[in-house]
Amino acid sequence: RKEVEQDPGPFNVPEGATVAFNCTYSNSASQSFFWYRQDCRKEPKLLMSVYSSGNEDGRFTAQLNRASQYISLLIRDSKLSDSATYLCAVWGRILTGGGNKLTFGTGTQLKVEL
Amino acid sequence: DGGITQSPKYLFRKEGQNVTLSCEQNLNHDAMYWYRQDPGQGLRLIYYSQIVNDFQKGDIAEGYSVSREKKESFPLTVTSAQKNPTAFYLCASSIGHSTYEQYFGPGTRLTVT
Repeated sequence: RKEVEQDPGPFNVPEGATVAFNCTYSNSASQSFFWYRQDCRKEPKLLMSVYSSGNEDGRFTAQLNRASQYISLLIRDSKLSDSATYLCAVWGRILTGGGNKLTFGTGTQLKVEL
Repeated sequence: DGGITQSPKYLFRKEGQNVTLSCEQNLNHDAMYWYRQDPGQGLRLIYYSQIVNDFQKGDIAEGYSVSREKKESFPLTVTSAQKNPTAFYLCASSIGHSTYEQYFGPGTRLTVT
């Protein structure tokens, strides 16, 4: 099982739709969680950190479910400009060795259409 | 403007040559990271450094080397021992090597033929 898993998509949605992505992680001791946005052939940009109580930034809402070991990202009223790949990242102990690291999912591709 | 710079944006090399990728940050961050991204794959950690003059291997360090002589700089050398060097290389930094957010530079696309 991968340490961090995402549905690769693509998710094709009409403009104005609400779309949600999930990301599951295998290490129950993971400590912090993030969502990044990556445009084609660009670097990942931090979208938001995910807090235990959930957090919202404009049209974006992130939630953490520790019991089921997943984080989610909800995008409301999606715009054409939201089209990108969304990566989740989980900070925790490296399962097969010492130390800690940030582990990234492979990303979910979102295409917002007219 | 505070940020992370990587140069060059595109780099072409012949097989058998070593190549060094530059990464500089002016965010006063202690921790710096090198990742590699291949199509359809997540980011994979090559090396990281928690502090000047210290660095640790990540998941795929074979064929790579780094140095951290200054806080601002963390260059990565891709040696001829790296079997599949063609990839998108991303440098990141963080306040510290812990639960903090990591911020990325614009990346270097390396093509080795």
